[in-house]
Amino acid sequence: SDELTQPPSVSVSPGQTASITCSGDKLGDKYVYWYQQKPGQSPVLVIYQDNKRPSGIPERFSGSSSGNTATLIISGTQTMDEADYFCQAWDNSVVFGGGTKLTVL
Amino acid sequence: QVQLVQSGAEVKKPGASVKVSCKASGYTFGKYEINWVRQAPGQGLEWMGWMSPNSGNTDSAQKFQGRVTFTRDTSINTAYMELSSLRSEDTAIYYCARAVSGFLEHYSYYMDVWGKGTTVTVSS
Repeated sequence: SDELTQPPSVSVSPGQTASITCSGDKLGDKYVYWYQQKPGQSPVLVIYQDNKRPSGIPERFSGSSSGNTATLIISGTQTMDEADYFCQAWDNSVVFGGGTKLTVL
Repeated sequence: QVQLVQSGAEVKKPGASVKVSCKASGYTFGKYEINWVRQAPGQGLEWMGWMSPNSGNTDSAQKFQGRVTFTRDTSINTAYMELSSLRSEDTAIYYCARAVSGFLEHYSYYMDVWGKGTTVTVSS
């Protein structure tokens, strides 16, 4: 399976836009999914099929994908958005990125 | 509501086996595959494999082949993951998750509902 590469950490000021990237070979030929995980909690799906939001996920979460890179965008980042974020794709099996710790300060 | 309820924490000795359960409720158990994902302390998510509750078909990541077994009991809407020959590196939180799949522009496969996780500690 192909690997998915994420930056280990991203920092953002409250109210600003956070962008978390996920890169992988031929990623544009696959759907990308994003999960948010807060300390001590299970992962939560925040984006599916590149850019769709599940019910209950705030509108400030969006996604895009182009070429070999997918991006999770959090507009107007809030302190409650501080968490680990994992991207995922399907390549004959489930593949996860290594995760990005988002710090809001 | 849709939920997956996992069994409680386990402490095992090296070389032993562990069996974790995942009870589904709020949806038709047989319609969605169950995936197992683990997370070692301070680490990322590691996919272990999936099972179809309907057919019983399974697949696992190459790393776990020969050591992991996925089963289910459809009479009680419960999936199981058994990992054998445990070693210290298997110390982790083990999650079950419901998978949504289908063909659109690309094949779509993702996990929309997760259990709360089962902590497995392997220590002598």
